[in-house]
Amino acid sequence: EAQVTQNPRYLITVTGKKLTVTCSQNMNHEYMSWYRQDPGLGLRQIYYSMNVEVTDKGDVPEGYKVSRKEKRNFPLILESPSPNQTSLYFCASSRKPDRDSPLHFGNGTRLTVT
Amino acid sequence: SQELEQSPQSLIVQEGKNLTINCTSSKTLYGLYWYKQKYGEGLIFLMMLQKGGEEKSHEKITAKLDEKKQQSSLHITASQPSHAGIYLCGADRFISAGGTSYGKLTFGQGTILTVHP
Repeated sequence: EAQVTQNPRYLITVTGKKLTVTCSQNMNHEYMSWYRQDPGLGLRQIYYSMNVEVTDKGDVPEGYKVSRKEKRNFPLILESPSPNQTSLYFCASSRKPDRDSPLHFGNGTRLTVT
Repeated sequence: SQELEQSPQSLIVQEGKNLTINCTSSKTLYGLYWYKQKYGEGLIFLMMLQKGGEEKSHEKITAKLDEKKQQSSLHITASQPSHAGIYLCGADRFISAGGTSYGKLTFGQGTILTVHP
């Protein structure tokens, strides 16, 4: 089944403890992206990747890192999480980075930083 | 302020009623997407509109992009409880004449739809 898989679905951690949220897609998509969703603010883009080894900042990249060493994986790294990073995170991918390729979303990761 | 404004922010309707959700952009739209999200889950792609005046339908959901390409509406006919969820519009961010950056896809804040049986 074609899908975007995020892990974990839920994560509770403490301030400053490094964590990684994994994202994997099995559709051979070139484009991948991370979003966070907060009440009243909607979805905001954190980072995106046009292809392997090509990443760029979105609207809210502070406090996050990403890497794209393989086409299928696009992990989101929080080196030193803070409570303001408590949010619902979504990974998304599309066949290519243009408007003819709609985004496919993972089921989300709900992160709580205490 | 948001580049994409959705209205209303929330909507409660009785099953069988028609409803409309609007998405207004402060800039010209070069690609407008509608997604549906069930609480706590990922977004499901519904439709994409690109041309002014374009209208697309999927089952009982119809979306239209106005001629000036700065507003889109999503209309649900004879709503059902299965239509409940959060509807989000998304758009490519306009960066230059004739150009677009898919990497800068932005979303509205969402409209929460509740359908009472």
